Amino acid sequence: QSVLTQPPSVSAAPGQKVTISCSGTTSNMGNDYVSWYQQLPGTAPKLLIHDSDKRLSGIPDRFSGSKSGTSATLGITGLQTGDEADYYCGTWDSSRHIYVFGTGTKVTVL
Amino acid sequence: QLVESGGGLVQPGGSLRLSCAASGFTFSSYWMSWVRQPPGKGLEWLANIKVDGSVTYYMDSVKGRFTISRDNAKNSVFLQMNSLTAEDTAIYYCASPHSRSGYYAFDIWGQGTKVTVSS
Repeated sequence: QSVLTQPPSVSAAPGQKVTISCSGTTSNMGNDYVSWYQQLPGTAPKLLIHDSDKRLSGIPDRFSGSKSGTSATLGITGLQTGDEADYYCGTWDSSRHIYVFGTGTKVTVL
Repeated sequence: QLVESGGGLVQPGGSLRLSCAASGFTFSSYWMSWVRQPPGKGLEWLANIKVDGSVTYYMDSVKGRFTISRDNAKNSVFLQMNSLTAEDTAIYYCASPHSRSGYYAFDIWGQGTKVTVSS
C-alpha cells in the first residue's frame, strides 16, 4: 500500500516542462534518500534520481530532483515522446524499516 | 545482472518459490529486496535481507506468509511464498542498491517474473 502521494497524471507538449510531486510524512520523507524511478510500458523500473537530487550516471540533465521538508519533486525539461512513462518516488521509512513507493504518475506528451 | 525465475500459475492457498540470480556486481555486499507490481497497479516493496542474511524485514501484507533468504555462495536471493491469494497476482522483481547510487536506492532490477494465483 503506497504511502507517498503523487498526482495520477501530468502532461505537456514536446519541449515543455513537467513537475511531479511526492508527499509523505516525517517517518519516510524525513531523510534525504528519496529516489525516482521511470517505468516504460512493459519494462522494469529504472533508477533516475537518488539521494533526492543526484542523477544516476548516464541520466540526461533534463531530469532533476529536489526535496523540501516532507515533499520531493521530479522535474523533466525539454519533454520528449520517449519520456512517456510511469514515474515513482520511493524512500525508506525509518520507523517501520520498510521501503515505500509513491502512488505513481503517468507522464503524457501531448 | 539480476534474473528472476520461478513464477507461474498457482492455485489459491498454494506455494511458490522465486529465485533471483545476480551477476556483474558484488552481490554479497548489498541488502537485497523483492518488489511486486499487480496488473495495472503501482510498485509495492515486499521484503529485504541483510548482506549476511541475519536480518530481514517485511511489508505487513506478506509478513508470516513470505520468507526472503539468500545464498551468497550462489549469488542468489529467494522468496518463498505460502498461502497465496488472488491479491498476490503480480510481476515480482528483485532489486538491489549499488555503491554508485548511494546504497539507499534500487539501482539494479531484474526483468521480473509473473505470478498468477487462480483456480
